[in-house]
Amino acid sequence: DIQMTQSPSSLSVSVGDRVTITCQASQDISFRLNWYQVKPGKAPELLIYDVSNLDTGVPSRFSGSGSGTHFTLTINNLQPEDLATYYCQQYENLLPVTFGQGTRLDIK
Amino acid sequence: EVLLVQSGGGLVQPGGSLRLSCAASGFSFGDHYMDWVRQAPGKGLEWIGRSRDKGSSYSTDYAASVKGRFFISRDDSTTSLFLQMTSLKIEDTAMYYCTRNFGGGFDPWGQGALVTVSS
Repeated sequence: DIQMTQSPSSLSVSVGDRVTITCQASQDISFRLNWYQVKPGKAPELLIYDVSNLDTGVPSRFSGSGSGTHFTLTINNLQPEDLATYYCQQYENLLPVTFGQGTRLDIK
Repeated sequence: EVLLVQSGGGLVQPGGSLRLSCAASGFSFGDHYMDWVRQAPGKGLEWIGRSRDKGSSYSTDYAASVKGRFFISRDDSTTSLFLQMTSLKIEDTAMYYCTRNFGGGFDPWGQGALVTVSS
């Protein structure tokens, strides 16, 4: 199975901050990397697909980059509604699909 | 609007069975793979299985943790997805989500169904 390692596991942030979350795959997954946002008590929502493409309605302060095994999610000018847990997910051809362990953002 | 509405869930004893349903609307259900993902309390997301479309012979795949105990089916005529869970274990306690597989990404997600396995 492909292991996805996210860091950090949690982050204390302030409104207006620039936040960077990294995700490392245990093998080359090319561009097959998505990011999800999960708010407490809510279903996950797709944020970014194929490394850097924002899903419909996602604010432009979110961005993604990377390729191969190293990927980054960046949030510029963090807003209160961005407080959530973020997961990366790979979908390389072989199953199973795997997720990172999550990065929880909370208020400093 | 693309929508997935889940039903089922509840409290079940270890060794018991439960069936979750997922009603889809707003898209061509029959043309899509559909997946199930769960989240145990305080834990991360875990993919548990996939139902492929008619073009892929409705084949299914499962995570090792549920293989042989969980079974996914679908009814394209009613645009519904099902997860039959048998031989449930305490560690199967989780929120279960159905989701549309959209080119490798999962979007949208159902609202979730809580399954609690406890004696």
